[in-house]
Amino acid sequence: GQQLNQSPQSMFIQEGEDVSMNCTSSSIFNTWLWYKQDPGEGPVLLIALYKAGELTSNGRLTAQFGITRKDSFLNISASIPSDVGIYFCAGRRAGGGADGLTFGKGTHLIIQP
Amino acid sequence: DVKVTQSSRYLVKRTGEKVFLECVQDMDHENMFWYRQDPGLGLRLIYFSYDVKMKEKGDIPEGYSVSREKKERFSLILESASTNQTSMYLCASSTSVQTQYFGPGTRLLVL
Repeated sequence: GQQLNQSPQSMFIQEGEDVSMNCTSSSIFNTWLWYKQDPGEGPVLLIALYKAGELTSNGRLTAQFGITRKDSFLNISASIPSDVGIYFCAGRRAGGGADGLTFGKGTHLIIQP
Repeated sequence: DVKVTQSSRYLVKRTGEKVFLECVQDMDHENMFWYRQDPGLGLRLIYFSYDVKMKEKGDIPEGYSVSREKKERFSLILESASTNQTSMYLCASSTSVQTQYFGPGTRLLVL
């Protein structure tokens, strides 16, 4: 199956800094999802986006569905230690079958106090 | 809140053993999925089911089978476990394929 291009692969930041990560694809998507995975746990849904251009916030997290429908970004403002983890983007291709989601390979976020 | 549970958090099995991984969801979701997650490879879809007794192959079904006898339960079966099936296994469910909710995962080690 196709993988999304997610970047960066990893980020080393200071506590309090803002974070930005994105996913791109050569295909058009009609849904974008952002998940966070803590070590040894399953991914937890953070934000779901269903319309091109949609901008959605969840606390300090903000995500946007790109206007071309081929990309999405996630921003985290004023990072705190519990933001550490792996962030995954996932999308459903327009016209795709009932075969689940396409996932990015994840962005490892590491926060230095 | 959606709850997806997996029968074991950690499993250790020997090569050749038959392994059952169980997943249960309590939100009456139609769709259920099994993924495996490996470093550097991300999440890969093994099988999914969009109704009771229905199953569809995902991207990497070889060496696996599934069973969905009841709507809330989706089982992943390794007929004869091999060392290359050592991985983190994640179950997910959804009412539609847009938003999937994941279980906590089962970390399987095959010796």
